Amino acid sequence: DVVLTQSPLSLPVTLGQPASISCRSSQNLVYSDGNTYLSWFHQRPGQSPRRLIYKVSNWDSGVPDRFSGSGSGTDFTLKISRVEAEDVGVYFCMQGTHWPWTFGQGTKVEIK
Amino acid sequence: EVQLVESGGDLVQPGGSLRLSCADSGFTFSRDWMAWVRQPPGKGLEWVAEIKEDGSVRSYVDSVKGRFTISRDNAKNSLYLQMNSLRVEDTAVYYCARGGGRSDDGDWGQGTPVTVSS
Repeated sequence: DVVLTQSPLSLPVTLGQPASISCRSSQNLVYSDGNTYLSWFHQRPGQSPRRLIYKVSNWDSGVPDRFSGSGSGTDFTLKISRVEAEDVGVYFCMQGTHWPWTFGQGTKVEIK
Repeated sequence: EVQLVESGGDLVQPGGSLRLSCADSGFTFSRDWMAWVRQPPGKGLEWVAEIKEDGSVRSYVDSVKGRFTISRDNAKNSLYLQMNSLRVEDTAVYYCARGGGRSDDGDWGQGTPVTVSS
């Protein structure tokens, strides 16, 4: 199975400051159709995960544009341009290129 | 607002069975891949199974193959997960998700808890 390794696992951030999370894959995530199926999810405490980004850099509906995704092949990044209080929680990357789809272990974002 | 609502989670003994349901209030259910994803208490996420729009393709993670069956009823906008031979390690919150791993759709429900314990 594809292993997704996120870093850091814990990320204390200051409100209004940028934040960045890395996701590295054990295999290339480019699919035969040319797409790269790497998504990002956010889970607030006590809530279900919400997808933010799909196919590396596409926003899901209603996602603020302070979130952005980038990367290619095996290295991907989620960036928050200016962290807001509602951004706390755990962020997961997920790959949909090689079955079974797998998730990273999660990065916990908290306010300093 | 489109909603996915799961039900059927419960406390069950090892070796027992349970059937989870997911009702979709949206208008595109019959055109969407659907999936079940689980999250053990305090842990990460595991994609359990997914099913094609017409039910003709079903995929399972190895840990549930032969024990779990995903199905759907497009006339009722409903997704199901029949879980047999349950194990302690199947304990988790089970989420219903719209779209497969490659879908542009990505809505999730609020989850239903399953506890397998004697």
